[in-house]
Amino acid sequence: DAGVTQSPTHLIKTRGQQVTLRCSPKSGHDTVSWYQQALGQGPQFIFQYYEEEERQRGNFPDRFSGHQFPNYSSELNVNALLLGDSALYLCASSGGQGVWETQYFGPGTRLLVL
Amino acid sequence: RKEVEQDPGPFNVPEGATVAFNCTYSNSASQSFFWYRQDCRKEPKLLMSVYSSGNEDGRFTAQLNRASQYISLLIRDSKLSDSATYLCAVNFPTMRFGAGTRLTVKP
Repeated sequence: DAGVTQSPTHLIKTRGQQVTLRCSPKSGHDTVSWYQQALGQGPQFIFQYYEEEERQRGNFPDRFSGHQFPNYSSELNVNALLLGDSALYLCASSGGQGVWETQYFGPGTRLLVL
Repeated sequence: RKEVEQDPGPFNVPEGATVAFNCTYSNSASQSFFWYRQDCRKEPKLLMSVYSSGNEDGRFTAQLNRASQYISLLIRDSKLSDSATYLCAVNFPTMRFGAGTRLTVKP
């Protein structure tokens, strides 16, 4: 049973650039949530996608956008990168009707902005 | 006040010790509660969901106190492999995580 997968594992970008991160949910899951985790902090909720729509959003600027595809996979896009965007980006998938069913995390993408 | 707060740690305990972590939350409307374990430079892994009646999984016991708005995690008979950062998570309605408590179990 495949778990949550994310790509790429590591990424180095420069300020002002744009980045796209990808996530495939656990088999049988239809909901994808994205988180940003800075060093020494807990994950911070960015947004959640369900049925190809953004269902909930955390306190992140519009530079952060996403998409969910019909196969439930998802992308996170970040425009105009800032040094402060350097973090571990985690994708979590869940299934069921509830907004906050138990979430399972992928291995993350480590983004470094120079 | 932060929306989800955890014991600052770090906790350094000998093998076999019992250790308890607390996590307080500010939104009384929260409905779902979880404990995750995160190893260094890895993703969080679900340890336990926390139910109103409390729940146990082997050496791990989680409890919820809605009146005082906190959840707890008790680890009995600590193993070296329990060394990790423990994160609590509360739905808000968006999911909020604490900053984590680092546990080191020493021989």
